[in-house]
Amino acid sequence: GAVVSQHPSWVICKSGTSVKIECRSLDFQATTMFWYRQFPKQSLMLMATSNEGSKATYEQGVEKDKFLINHASLTLSTLTVTSAHPEDSSFYICSARDADRVGEQYFGPGTRLTVT
Amino acid sequence: GENVEQHPSTLSVQEGDSAVIKCTYSDSASNYFPWYKQELGKRPQLIIDIRSNVGEKKDQRIAVTLNKTAKHFSLHITETQPEDSAVYFCAASSQAGTALIFGKGTTLSVSS
Repeated sequence: GAVVSQHPSWVICKSGTSVKIECRSLDFQATTMFWYRQFPKQSLMLMATSNEGSKATYEQGVEKDKFLINHASLTLSTLTVTSAHPEDSSFYICSARDADRVGEQYFGPGTRLTVT
Repeated sequence: GENVEQHPSTLSVQEGDSAVIKCTYSDSASNYFPWYKQELGKRPQLIIDIRSNVGEKKDQRIAVTLNKTAKHFSLHITETQPEDSAVYFCAASSQAGTALIFGKGTTLSVSS
């Protein structure tokens, strides 16, 4: 149980284009999902908290107009990187919180984004 | 907000030795402290966690200790094996469902 999937696992796009990443909780309902970004040899940095049916909460320094988050259902959150630039190239990982288990979160497999 | 410091950034041990990684946190409201192992290009894997109502937890070769007063927690790996080589992250969050805040990671290398 407690499986989180992400799609795509990797994507290459050209500068100026937009890319959508999906995060799904497969066997539980996730009222809250989190998006992290991880640059090579660095830690996971929280980008935003995604709550079902409401606007996402972004961390300081993360542009909400550039990283669009939509949490339209209890099992799906999407992150859209708009007008991507090479510096947006990173490993994007989502996690979902199991409401029945205090604190514990489950991570998706990550999406490797390369912007050329 | 929460801030998690992790030390050391790199750790090299001989197979069979013990490894200890330490973290401190700043938010006294935090009460969930997981440890993750991450291999290159993969998702973090939970290896052990501890909640603030206990001071120590052990699972075979892995143990975690928590000192709430000092706001620090540590990961102990005994009888290390080459397959333990990876990057380890500590994290902290509160029961309110806030996100996990991660330490900067420790690259553990176990040589045989």
